[in-house]
Amino acid sequence: EDKVVQSPLSLVVHEGDTVTLNCSYEVTNFRSLLWYKQEKKAPTFLFMLTSSGIEKKSGRLSSILDKKELFSILNITATQTGDSAVYLCAVHGNTGKLIFGQGTTLQVKP
Amino acid sequence: DAGVIQSPRHEVTEMGQEVTLRCKPISGHDYLFWYRQTMMRGLELLIYFNNNVPIDDSGMPEDRFSAKMPNASFSTLKIQPSEPRDSAVYFCASSSNIGEQYFGPGTRLTVT
Repeated sequence: EDKVVQSPLSLVVHEGDTVTLNCSYEVTNFRSLLWYKQEKKAPTFLFMLTSSGIEKKSGRLSSILDKKELFSILNITATQTGDSAVYLCAVHGNTGKLIFGQGTTLQVKP
Repeated sequence: DAGVIQSPRHEVTEMGQEVTLRCKPISGHDYLFWYRQTMMRGLELLIYFNNNVPIDDSGMPEDRFSAKMPNASFSTLKIQPSEPRDSAVYFCASSSNIGEQYFGPGTRLTVT
C-alpha cells in the first residue's frame, strides 16, 4: 500500500532557528513529490521534486529529494513567526493520486 | 485567474439532509480533485476527474457520497443523506498536470 510518513509531527522553535522537516515514502511508480504549506486555510504549493539530488530553493525555503533512500527534506532557515503552519508532503504515483502525509505542525515563537 | 472557486464556504445542516458542494476549477486545468480534511484523518482524496471523467473514486467513503463533473468548468460533490461524521472541510483542487495542484478555499461542513 502506498504511504507517506512525515516527521516530526510537531515542532516548536524560536525565530531565527533553522528547521528540517522529513518526508519518507513508499509508492508504486513514483512520479513526483510535492510540499505544501497550510495555514488556516487551503494548502498552498511550495515545491515539486522529480529528480534526486537537485535542490529547489525559494527564499529561505529549500527542498531536496533522494529517490534511492525514498525521502525528501524541507529546510527553512532563519525562521519567522509567519512560517508557523502545517507542512504537508505528498507523493504522486502511477495512479494519478496524490498520497498525503499526516503533516508536520511547525510553531515559530518570537 | 480567480483561482479555484468553491461554494458555499460554510454549510450547516441537520442530519439526514442533502448537501451539495460546488467547485469551479481554474480555466484550462484538466484535472479536478475533491478532498476531505479532518483533525483525525488529515487530508484524504475522495475522487478525481481527468477531462470530466472520474478516474479514481476509491476514496469516496460510501454510497451516500457522489460526485459529478458535467463540464470542464463545474463539479459537484453531493452527500445524501448527511451524517454528523461527515463534518469536515471539503477542498476542491485543480491542476494542468499530474503534479502541482491548486486548492480552493474549502467548504466547512457541519452536520448536526
